[in-house]
Amino acid sequence: DSGVTQTPKHLITATGQRVTLRCSPRSGDLSVYWYQQSLDQGLQFLIQYYNGEERAKGNILERFSAQQFPDLHSELNLSSLELGDSALYFCASSPVGTKSPLHFGNGTRLTVT
Amino acid sequence: SQQGEEDPQALSIQEGENATMNCSYKTSINNLQWYRQNSGRGLVHLILIRSNEREKHSGRLRVTLDTSKKSSSLLITASRAADTASYFCATEPNAGGTSYGKLTFGQGTILTVHP
Repeated sequence: DSGVTQTPKHLITATGQRVTLRCSPRSGDLSVYWYQQSLDQGLQFLIQYYNGEERAKGNILERFSAQQFPDLHSELNLSSLELGDSALYFCASSPVGTKSPLHFGNGTRLTVT
Repeated sequence: SQQGEEDPQALSIQEGENATMNCSYKTSINNLQWYRQNSGRGLVHLILIRSNEREKHSGRLRVTLDTSKKSSSLLITASRAADTASYFCATEPNAGGTSYGKLTFGQGTILTVHP
């Protein structure tokens, strides 16, 4: 058990809809990362937060947004969903950032129909 | 595009044999990490090697890093059926202190160990 909790485990929704994925980092970890994993794109870094502030942005679409709350949990919001957004979405956390391994949650499998 | 490229894409061996996976990357790095992923599950950190290190061991794992060739290898010795998983290399770029631990992952090697 990595200590990172992601909910829900599975999500099935229709095109055009909006969903929210939730992540609770390991106790004491200040950094939260979001990754998307799909068969064609592999693991893509989306965004990182550190202690409530956005620190780095990757290949995140404008339809996607995220935030980290004062209690350090994070949410990833996906809107105007398209079929191509179907993927595994992972949250990971680390204590500080540099030179620290990431601890991954078990992911949310999103299926857009 | 992915920073790390892994080779081979898939590897099938018998229990007891050694498994070697290779990773190449493109830019200067702070460190390189290897992760394991069982089917449909989260990634699990295996080992981290810093840019000033050349070799590191952890149990049955041996990692090498050649920064001049921008490549790394992961060796799993005396493999077991339970080692069956996907293995990913991930690099933290040397971005003047602004990388904040962001990792870029390779496409992974699927390892199958037959009992």
